[in-house]
Amino acid sequence: QMLLVQSGAEVKKTGSSVKVSCKSSEYAFNYRYLHWVRQAPGQPLEWLGWITPFNENSKTNYAQRFRDRVTITRDRSKISSHMELSSLTSDDTAMYYCARGGIGDRSAFDMWGQGSMVIVSS
Amino acid sequence: EILLTQSPGSLSLSPGERAILSCRASQTISDTYLAWYQQIPGQAPRLLIFGTSNRATGIPDRFSGSGSGTDFTLTISRLEPEDFAVYYCHHYGSSPITFGQGTRLEI
Repeated sequence: QMLLVQSGAEVKKTGSSVKVSCKSSEYAFNYRYLHWVRQAPGQPLEWLGWITPFNENSKTNYAQRFRDRVTITRDRSKISSHMELSSLTSDDTAMYYCARGGIGDRSAFDMWGQGSMVIVSS
Repeated sequence: EILLTQSPGSLSLSPGERAILSCRASQTISDTYLAWYQQIPGQAPRLLIFGTSNRATGIPDRFSGSGSGTDFTLTISRLEPEDFAVYYCHHYGSSPITFGQGTRLEI
């Protein structure tokens, strides 16, 4: 079964950037939409954006409130995706998840990474 | 943007009882694009239901989903100890993708 394994916890300074990775065990990962979702402590889930499969040229779509700060990429050979968030503030302290979508953009998220904790402090 | 409002915010029940969780959308949505997730503290969410009423792989049949238009429901017919968690509804039919604020199911 495909697994999504994320990078470890990060502690960042206010104003800096963080890059979180999500790696799969199977090449089929490259042919599914990949989403990034975050969850601040005690808060609900919040969608950040998605990236399309390679056969759709890895296009991206971001939530409006993150559009100027988030970049999602994917690496075909490493069967992975990265999410970079810039201009960090304490409000960005959260668990960040990658989640597998479907072949199309309108699919539920049937597999999740274990999460990567990002702590932002001054 | 489709806003999802879940009720109640928390629910206290006992094993063996039935739980009914509600999710109301801010406008009519297609039932094709409504899902439910379970999140146990310290773990990633797990897909339970997609397309309003379809159970994901490996999900027991005590979990069922229903609804249409703006009102959707997740029912857990006979609560097991491992069902006590937070449940989120999720709309994925348009951008931005949105989640409800969650219902905490407590023993």
